[in-house]
Formats: sequence, C-alpha cells, structure tokens
Amino acid sequence: AQSVTQLGSHVSVSEGALVLLRCNYSSSVPPYLFWYVQYPNQGLQLLLKYTTGATLVKGINGFEAEFKKSETSFHLTKPSAHMSDAAEYFCAVSGGATNKLIFGTGTLLAVQP
Amino acid sequence: NAGVTQTPKFQVLKTGQSMTLQCAQDMNHEYMSWYRQDPGMGLRLIHYSVGAGITDQGEVPNGYNVSRSTTEDFPLRLLSAAPSQTSVYFCASCSRDRGFYGYTFGSGTRLTVV
Repeated sequence: AQSVTQLGSHVSVSEGALVLLRCNYSSSVPPYLFWYVQYPNQGLQLLLKYTTGATLVKGINGFEAEFKKSETSFHLTKPSAHMSDAAEYFCAVSGGATNKLIFGTGTLLAVQP
Repeated sequence: NAGVTQTPKFQVLKTGQSMTLQCAQDMNHEYMSWYRQDPGMGLRLIHYSVGAGITDQGEVPNGYNVSRSTTEDFPLRLLSAAPSQTSVYFCASCSRDRGFYGYTFGSGTRLTVV
C-alpha cells in the first residue's frame, strides 16, 4: 500500500522568502514521486517528478525537490517566493504494476507582500 | 491533441438520479483514473484502469461504477446520486511508454447533488 503525508495544511511566507513544503511517503515498491500545483478553480498541473536517477529534481517556476529514501521524504522548495506562487500544492506517490497515483491532503501556500 | 477531456464541466442532480461523467483521452495512455476532490481531503482515488477491459477499485469506490471498453474512454457512473457525492471530479491518464511523464489531468467536473 502507498500513502502520502503532507505536514501543514496551510503555509504562509513573505514574498522573497524560502518556500518549504513537506512531504513524506510510504510505499512497498520503489516509488515514483510527484508534486502538483492547483490554482484557484483550475485543474492540476505537474510541477516536477522523481522516477529514477538523480535525487534532486528541478521543476517549473523555480521549484525543486529532493528524494531522500532514508527519510522517506520528498520536500518541495523554492529559494524566493513570488506572489504568483500562491496556490494549493499536492504531493503524490505511485509505483508498482498498477501505477495507482495516491495524493496527500494538500498544502495551501499563501504569499504575503 | 486535446489531452484529457471531461464532460460536463458542471452538473446539478437531484438525490436518487443517475448520470455518467465522461472522460476521454487521445494520447493512447494505458492508465486512467478517477478522483474526487473535497476541501481538506486532497484528491481521493475512486476507480482506476490499467488498460482496456481492466478496472479496479481505489480508496473511495462506493456509489460509483466504471468500465473501460476502449483505450480512449473511461466513464464514471453514479447510479443513485447522494448529497455526499457533491464534489469536484477529475479524470487522469498516463503512459509508461518512452519514459514516465506522470498523470495528465482533465479540467474537472463540478457536481452538486441536492
């Protein structure tokens, strides 16, 4: 079975500050890990993914995440927050023959001017 | 290339009515899934399919049926709608061919059951 835990349902940062959104996963098979972003009243957009290889992955809009197997973590970071980053962010895990994609409960990021 | 297309975008049903949410993809993806999104609960997997003719239950399958007769289409059926099924529904698809790019999502169907 697979599961995802996102610590902090709401995170608020100042514009220009570091963004850190936390994600821990559980998986009985080698995981594929994803971060998706959802802007208000819109669908989901893939930010970045880890499948195999390099554990530090870079995505769109300056975001990156690092896969740490020993900590079962895949935290999302961005060095400097922008007002346009305000959105809800979802961490997700898949893997195995069925390739089911399982989501965390999401983190709503607010960016203060 | 339309990606994942969901219809309708909005729907209001009365309790006990039935309806089908349509999902179609034109990318020849073998994997398809249905999710519901509710505030504070993220996206929960309803049903999924690993190919035509093969479906299985996800985390919250009760009250929903699916079938997958073609690679392109994956309709979700509500046989007797209940207010608890008021939600936003997303369909998604992906493929492992030529690398793995993650699931592509449709734009969603906002369903209200009164």
